[in-house]
Formats: sequence, structure tokens, C-alpha cells
Amino acid sequence: DGGITQSPKYLFRKEGQNVTLSCEQNLNHDAMYWYRQDPGQGLRLIYYSQIVNDFQKGDIAEGYSVSREKKESFPLTVTSAQKNPTAFYLCASRGSFGTPGRITGELFFGEGSRLTVL
Amino acid sequence: QKEVEQDPGPLSVPEGAIVSLNCTYSNSAFQYFMWYRQYSRKGPELLMYTYSSGNKEDGRFTAQVDKSSKYISLFIRDSQPSDSATYLCAMRGGAGGTSYGKLTFGQGTILTVHP
Repeated sequence: DGGITQSPKYLFRKEGQNVTLSCEQNLNHDAMYWYRQDPGQGLRLIYYSQIVNDFQKGDIAEGYSVSREKKESFPLTVTSAQKNPTAFYLCASRGSFGTPGRITGELFFGEGSRLTVL
Repeated sequence: QKEVEQDPGPLSVPEGAIVSLNCTYSNSAFQYFMWYRQYSRKGPELLMYTYSSGNKEDGRFTAQVDKSSKYISLFIRDSQPSDSATYLCAMRGGAGGTSYGKLTFGQGTILTVHP
């Protein structure tokens, strides 16, 4: 079954620690995204990558870093510089050229990772 | 002011009711409009999409877009307890420019349909 796998589902972190959230997709999609979801604020874009070895900052990139060394993988690191990291993090991908989903911009989401800073 | 505004609710209705969910937006470049449904502790999944103005119907769901008013709606007929979820509107511009491929989401409306 094709899809997006995020791990871990739940993560606890002490203040001052960096943590890395994993996102893997087997949909053969080019573009991948990281969103943060907080109650009452919807989804806010952290980083996105349209091709391997290239990525751009989204609206709230401060305190986060990413890499895109492989098409299938787009890990997100929440650094100690992120002042309020407790949130639900969602990874998504978008269809490649020539697929219907690519035209509409439909995103396929993973099941999310909930990060809590203690 | 946010680019996309959505009443977060929560909205509670009895089973069988007609539900109306709405979003307003300010960016006239938006051309693709979507509704995502998100069950608790899960990722969102696409429910419906519409290109430009008009209506689209899929079973009990109808999506409407009025670009002149910058207003989109999702109607759910004969609502069921299984419709209880958070509904997120999302939209994007056309090809080209910095908006290409990036979706802008509303805040999400929490809907509960009780038996």
C-alpha cells in the first residue's frame, strides 16, 4: 500500500534538546511538505521541498531544519531554538507531473507526530 | 489579517441535520479550493476540490465557490455521527509564482454530529 509514514507518533523532549521527526513516502512523489498544527490555528507551513537536494522555508521555519537527500525521505529537526515546539506535526507529499493530483495541488498526509516538550 | 478565515466552531448538530461550513479569503489569485476532513489524531484527507467558481456535488457533500465574494462553502446533507471531524478549507493559486504548489489552510472547524 502506498502512503506516507511518520514516526514516531508521540515524542517527548526536554527543553534544550533537538529532535528529528521522520517522514517516508512510497508514492514516488516529487514534492514534500512539513506543516505544524496548533489548536485554532489550522496548518502552518514549516518547510517544503520540490525536488531532491532542494528545499525552501515556509511561513514558520525559524527553529526548524530539514534535509532532502532522497526522494522518499524528508526528515524534520526541531531544534532547541524553536521557542514553542509542542504541537502536532504533519508531513505531506504532492503528486508528480502528469498526475491529476498534481494539477489541483492535492496533498497526501501522514498520520502525524505529536511532540511534547516537558 | 489571515489570508483564509474559517470559523473554528465547535459546531454540534443532531444526526440528519444539514451542516454548512464556510471560509472567506482575501487573495484573489486563489483558483483551486479544497476541503479536507481530519479525524482525531489523524492526518487530513481530501474530501472535495473545486476549480474557480461553481458548485460540485459528491453524494451528501456539496462544495460551492463564489470568487466574486471570496467565499467558499461545504454543505453536508443528512449528517451522520461518522461525519464528526475537523474540516479544513485549503486553497492555492495557479501555476507559476511563489504560490505554486503551496496550500493555504483555514483554521479548521470542529464538527460533532450526535445521534
